[in-house]
Amino acid sequence: GQSLEQPSEVTAVEGAIVQINCTYQTSGFYGLSWYQQHDGGAPTFLSYNALDGLEETGRFSSFLSRSDSYGYLLLQELQMKDSASYFCAVREDFNKFYFGSGTKLNVKP
Amino acid sequence: DAGVTQSPTHLIKTRGQQVTLRCSPKSGHDTVSWYQQALGQGPQFIFQYYEEEERQRGNFPDRFSGHQFPNYSSELNVNALLLGDSALYLCASSLDNPYEQYFGPGTRLTVT
Repeated sequence: GQSLEQPSEVTAVEGAIVQINCTYQTSGFYGLSWYQQHDGGAPTFLSYNALDGLEETGRFSSFLSRSDSYGYLLLQELQMKDSASYFCAVREDFNKFYFGSGTKLNVKP
Repeated sequence: DAGVTQSPTHLIKTRGQQVTLRCSPKSGHDTVSWYQQALGQGPQFIFQYYEEEERQRGNFPDRFSGHQFPNYSSELNVNALLLGDSALYLCASSLDNPYEQYFGPGTRLTVT
């Protein structure tokens, strides 16, 4: 079967750093994506890791360890606008993504 | 450059009815995927269309069907609606190598 585990909720203060972890178990694996979704909005693409290591895009970084079936999203210099839900998604097949249940990030002043 | 658009925004249907949802992909994109997102959950993959054919399918019954037109727009049809079909239906478009998907705003379907 398939499973993705990520924390349901995380709280952090403005300006801090937060890490959202994702562990997965799927029948196939091509890569791991991260998406951000504000309440009432559409998911927006943040990053994709196909190989082990760290990918950095501005304040956001994403890490993947294929041997550990584990990845994380790192958000630095948190801003109030970062309050949203964050989803990890395994690219299980070339054209198929399996999403986790999401982590709700609350950023407090 | 228009992003992904979906219609209608909201829809209320009665159990047993049929519904059609529509999606226009981002300009230049040729691949459309459909997802169902229940409240508080992540999007669940329904299927993907490319070159007017269903290329991949998730764990959804045959009541869920779709179509892609020559202009790459797509429809999602759901027959014999159940209360459990109430959800946000998201369309995502991409180029043929789809690791970066662009999502539309979704259609909120309520089945009563």
